[in-house]
Amino acid sequence: DIVMTQSPDSLAVSLGERATINCKSSQSVFYSSNIKNHLAWYQQKPGQPPKLLIYWASTRESGVPDRFSGSGSGTDFTLTISSLQAEDVAVYYCQQYYSTPPTFGQGTKVEIK
Amino acid sequence: QVQLQESGPGLVNPSQTLSLTCTVSGASVSSGSYDWIWIRQPAGKGLEWIGRIHTTGSTNYNPSLESRVTISIDTSTNQFSLKLSSVTAADTALYYCARGDQWFDYWGQGTLVTVSS
Repeated sequence: DIVMTQSPDSLAVSLGERATINCKSSQSVFYSSNIKNHLAWYQQKPGQPPKLLIYWASTRESGVPDRFSGSGSGTDFTLTISSLQAEDVAVYYCQQYYSTPPTFGQGTKVEIK
Repeated sequence: QVQLQESGPGLVNPSQTLSLTCTVSGASVSSGSYDWIWIRQPAGKGLEWIGRIHTTGSTNYNPSLESRVTISIDTSTNQFSLKLSSVTAADTALYYCARGDQWFDYWGQGTLVTVSS
C-alpha cells in the first residue's frame, strides 16, 4: 500500500492568513500515461462526511472557493488556504488513487489562532 | 443531486457479520462508469477504504479486509451493500458509503457500528 503522511498534524492560523498543509506519498503518484498526479484533497467538518475539494492534485471541485489550491507532483503535495475563514475549521485529508487500495493521510486539523 | 444513505444495525456482536446497505438516489447503481464505495473511520481516526463495486458488478477489496468482505449491488432497489464477517472490536467505526472511481465526490452521512456483546 502507498503510505500517505501529512504534516503538520494540526495548525492554528489567524483569520485571513495563509494555511499550508503538506502531504507526502511513499511512492510517486504521478502516472506518466496520462501525465497526471493521482491525488485528491478532502475537508471534513465535525459530524460531517469528507467533502471533495481537489483532484488531480490541483483541480478544484465545482463550487469549492478559489482560496483553496493544490500543488505538487510526484511524492510531495500541498494544500493551501490563501486566506483562512472561520468556516474552514476542519480536518483535511489527502488521498492517493494511483494504486489499489486508495489510501488517505492521517489528517491535519486546522484551527483559528 | 446524488444522495447516499447508509442503513443497518448499530450494534453487532463479536464474531458475527456486520451488514450495511447504502440507498442511492439521483443516480443509478447499474449505469454510468462509477464505482460504489465503502469507507470506514474509527472514532477520532483517519479514513480506511474497504472496497468498491463497479456498475458492472466487478469488485475490489482492501487486502487487509479481503478475506472478510463482500460488497454487492441490488439494481432492483438501487442499493449496494457491505458484509463484513467475523467482526471484532477493531471493526467499530463510522461506516460511509460513497461514489467515485478514483476520487470520491458523493458521500453518505455515515452510520456508526459498534462491535460489542
